[in-house]
Amino acid sequence: QKEVEQDPGPLSVPEGAIVSLNCTYSNSAFQYFMWYRQYSRKGPELLMYTYSSGNKEDGRFTAQVDKSSKYISLFIRDSQPSDSATYLCAQSHPFGNEKLTFGTGTRLTIIP
Amino acid sequence: NAGVTQTPKFQVLKTGQSMTLQCAQDMNHNSMYWYRQDPGMGLRLIYYSASEGTTDKGEVPNGYNVSRLNKREFSLRLESAAPSQTSVYFCASSEADSEDLGNTEAFFGQGTRLTVV
Repeated sequence: QKEVEQDPGPLSVPEGAIVSLNCTYSNSAFQYFMWYRQYSRKGPELLMYTYSSGNKEDGRFTAQVDKSSKYISLFIRDSQPSDSATYLCAQSHPFGNEKLTFGTGTRLTIIP
Repeated sequence: NAGVTQTPKFQVLKTGQSMTLQCAQDMNHNSMYWYRQDPGMGLRLIYYSASEGTTDKGEVPNGYNVSRLNKREFSLRLESAAPSQTSVYFCASSEADSEDLGNTEAFFGQGTRLTVV
């Protein structure tokens, strides 16, 4: 079983819609959960991170972690064509090890 | 404001040829990484270096070698390229928050698109 599972999509939604992207993970020791955004032919860039359980909001983006179900979500409100990208969830390993484990990524297209 | 720089950006190799992918970062980070990205597989860690002079295998190290030349540079070498190594390769660097070691942001280069024919 992969440590991080993510539906690869692709996912297409109309502009202005609410987007929900999800991951599940298997290692309950993970504490930090991140979302990276990757535009076509570019390297990934950190979008948001959360620690442990709960929600974190940044503008139109909300990251949510449910440790009881090992479920991570990213919500995008009022989606824009510029949000079209691949979104990768990631976890950093515990105990000071900086290695990141990534999901497969979900390709998202926002249709104008 | 270069960040992480990878060279080359594109490369075509014949099976059996060797090459070295170069990576340099100017953020004074201790940790550096090499990932490969394949459709449906996501980013998979090839090798990792926690500091100058140390390297560790990641998830898919077979067929690769690495050198952490100094704090800035981390190279990836393919000794005898195979078609299965056709991929996009990303170098990354990071520095954990000293007071919160799990809080890590990785900075990625633009990638090297490698095709082995």
